[in-house]
Amino acid sequence: ILNVEQSPQSLHVQEGDSTNFTCSFPSSNFYALHWYRWETAKSPEALFVMTLNGDEKKKGRISATLNTKEGYSYLYIKGSQPEDSATYLCAFNAGNNRKLIWGLGTSLAVNP
Amino acid sequence: ETGVTQTPRHLVMGMTNKKSLKCEQHLGHNAMYWYKQSAKKPLELMFVYNFKEQTENNSVPSRFSPECPNSSHLFLHLHTLQPEDSALYLCASSPERGRYEQYFGPGTRLTVT
Repeated sequence: ILNVEQSPQSLHVQEGDSTNFTCSFPSSNFYALHWYRWETAKSPEALFVMTLNGDEKKKGRISATLNTKEGYSYLYIKGSQPEDSATYLCAFNAGNNRKLIWGLGTSLAVNP
Repeated sequence: ETGVTQTPRHLVMGMTNKKSLKCEQHLGHNAMYWYKQSAKKPLELMFVYNFKEQTENNSVPSRFSPECPNSSHLFLHLHTLQPEDSALYLCASSPERGRYEQYFGPGTRLTVT
């Protein structure tokens, strides 16, 4: 059974804090790892799609790393802002197909 | 209009009703998806269509019936639903090539009474 685990489940930080979350996935048959950001009452929005071991992606203050051999990815947010408050989801592609296996997400609340 | 749109945004229906959810994408993608999102559960893939052909049915009960008349439109027909079917139903689309990055609509919040 393919399982994607995310931790922590929720996180409360102060504005300006830096934070990071973890996504764990099966290390066999890896194809791609996706990070999405989902604000309340909005559509989930793709942040990164990562495919290569050791890959590192960055978008503004958000970055992500990937370790396919041990089956984990980290998402980092530098200098959190209230507008970063959202649920951050990761999803795993096992094999070259369209089926994504999703984690439960990490809910981030940034207090001003 | 841009992106992926879904209508209605909210729907309340009785167990004997028949209703349909609509999804439309304006991104030129060829694949479309229906997901179910229930409280405290991960996103659950229901159906995948690629070039109007269904390529994935994730053991979804027959009271959910998808329809994909063309690559831009996707419907989910609902009949004789159960209260446990109450959830957020999300539609997504993705391009033919690449790493299957998915673009989501805002969802339909369905309540079955």
